[in-house]
Amino acid sequence: AQSVTQPDIHITVSEGASLELRCNYSYGATPYLFWYVQSPGQGLQLLLKYFSGDTLVQGIKGFEAEFKRSQSSFNLRKPSVHWSDAAEYFCAVGPRDNYGQNFVFGPGTRLSVLP
Amino acid sequence: EAQVTQNPRYLITVTGKKLTVTCSQNMNHEYMSWYRQDPGLGLRQIYYSMNVEVTDKGDVPEGYKVSRKEKRNFPLILESPSPNQTSLYFCASSYVRGRDGYTFGSGTRLTVV
Repeated sequence: AQSVTQPDIHITVSEGASLELRCNYSYGATPYLFWYVQSPGQGLQLLLKYFSGDTLVQGIKGFEAEFKRSQSSFNLRKPSVHWSDAAEYFCAVGPRDNYGQNFVFGPGTRLSVLP
Repeated sequence: EAQVTQNPRYLITVTGKKLTVTCSQNMNHEYMSWYRQDPGLGLRQIYYSMNVEVTDKGDVPEGYKVSRKEKRNFPLILESPSPNQTSLYFCASSYVRGRDGYTFGSGTRLTVV
């Protein structure tokens, strides 16, 4: 069955510290991979995506993610966290041939940032 | 601006009173979907639509209806809302080939009393 796991429900980091949010997936073939961010009271915004090529992808707001096929992982990183990064982060996968299939979202990781 | 527009943003209603949450997108996306988000349960798909007049159930369709008469609109209908449908609802759209991912609406917070 298709699934996405985000092992960390809640992470707290200090402002300026580095961040890594984990994402693992189970899928029939290498899917398209996405990270979304949801700020309080807002909808989900696309941070970055991977579909082919360089396995390290850059996104908005200084985020990057690395796809590791052997580990079925797509971890999100940021070298220096800002207070405004406090939000919920969702990893998602989508099929390459989309007819009749759907995105699968992870349960989310809530990020708190200490001043 | 490319966007998915949901209305209303907030809604409080009483049990059994029919309501409709509207969703409209201006990106000519074929695929549209409704999700509900509940604490500890993440995003769960209610219904989706591959194109006009083509809809199908997601993971939690009970108590909901949808229609897709036009490509841009995908309303969510609660014929007889119940308190367990109190939730945060999101509409999303994408091209059928999913490499661009979803574009989400801003959400509708529904409270059924």
